[in-house]
Amino acid sequence: AQRVTQPEKLLSVFKGAPVELKCNYSYSGSPELFWYVQYSRQRLQLLLRHISRESIKGFTADLNKGETSFHLKKPFAQEEDSAMYYCALRAGTASKLTFGTGTRLQVTL
Amino acid sequence: EPEVTQTPSHQVTQMGQEVILRCVPISNHLYFYWYRQILGQKVEFLVSFYNNEISEKSEIFDDQFSVERPDGSNFTLKIRSTKLEDSAMYFCASSLDTLSYEQYFGPGTRLTVT
Repeated sequence: AQRVTQPEKLLSVFKGAPVELKCNYSYSGSPELFWYVQYSRQRLQLLLRHISRESIKGFTADLNKGETSFHLKKPFAQEEDSAMYYCALRAGTASKLTFGTGTRLQVTL
Repeated sequence: EPEVTQTPSHQVTQMGQEVILRCVPISNHLYFYWYRQILGQKVEFLVSFYNNEISEKSEIFDDQFSVERPDGSNFTLKIRSTKLEDSAMYFCASSLDTLSYEQYFGPGTRLTVT
């Protein structure tokens, strides 16, 4: 069975500092990895997916199959980045998403 | 931009009662999902639905649960004989297709079983 691990419940950084939200997964096949974000009082929304290989709101994430990781990075944190971030995995031909427990990012001045 | 909607936003029910959580997926989407999040825990998949039948379900989705698309717009989750441990945030999601398509989430219904 697949599993997603986000080791940090809370990550607090200063504005302008680099951000790295960690995500590790376990799955024997080729997964599809996602980052979802939930801003205060808003719904879960897709931030980015590994197959797109794009940068959204300055965030990037690279799938590292050797380390089974999909860490989310941003070089300079902004206040508006404060939110709950969830890493998620889709395995094989299944459509369901398997989520990690989430990391709350707090960006302070 | 079209959104998934869910009603009610908060439902309080007594243990043993039946509840129906309602969702209106995005109109041209074909796949529908229910997830739940118990307070402090991860978002967990419950069930996926396509072409008027369940395509996948988790071990959580036992006989207590059922889903239905009663008309062309609504997608419902029924929980029979609710238990205290059913208290959670229930999220509906929909996607245009499966696999490569994004799942769009609703705002959730907070279910409190007393």
